[in-house]
Amino acid sequence: SAVISQKPSRDICQRGTSLTIQCQVDSQVTMMFWYRQQPGQSLTLIATANQGSEATYESGFVIDKFPISRPNLTFSTLTVSNMSPEDSSIYLCSVGPRAGLGEQYFGPGTRLTVT
Amino acid sequence: AQKVTQAQTEISVVEKEDVTLDCVYETRDTTYYLFWYKQPPSGELVFLIRRNSFDEQNEISGRYSWNFQKSTSSFNFTITASQVVDSAVYFCALSEARNNNDMRFGAGTRLTVKP
Repeated sequence: SAVISQKPSRDICQRGTSLTIQCQVDSQVTMMFWYRQQPGQSLTLIATANQGSEATYESGFVIDKFPISRPNLTFSTLTVSNMSPEDSSIYLCSVGPRAGLGEQYFGPGTRLTVT
Repeated sequence: AQKVTQAQTEISVVEKEDVTLDCVYETRDTTYYLFWYKQPPSGELVFLIRRNSFDEQNEISGRYSWNFQKSTSSFNFTITASQVVDSAVYFCALSEARNNNDMRFGAGTRLTVKP
């Protein structure tokens, strides 16, 4: 399995500001994913980020609010823009198998609090 | 659309008791994968097991065992002789072949094992 790191591990931000979360993988991966986990809730997929193409967003998530970059096969960023307290969540990146179905491996998450 | 139901929100047991976590899924696809993840208090998601739709064989790994029954669309997880370190939130998840790598999570079951 890949080793995944995220920065920052946690942050406290003010309403109206933006935060960029970084996800670094120790090996090249085709598919990377970004999830949100609101307090006490399950995981919800925000978007799928493939290198060389635009991210694919799930229903309820838009690029203006959650812009994603995927400059190469080992790195991705998620920006949470114009934050409000409702954005307070854990944000997790994950990587999937090279081809087809399979388990995803998750980073440690970024715990975001918006005041 | 794919759906995963974990009806048990919280379970509390005393150490050394056996405990079963239920997972029921819905899918129209004939090819899919089922997963279990553990999320300890540290927050990181730990992959436990993957099962594909064509393999109904039950699996045992140490104190953990999984029972996959397509007839009832269930993929239950049993911990034998539970330990305090098993305390965590456990998520069941489903991926369909036609929604490549789109993993849907259940709501999770919070397991507390008391000494």
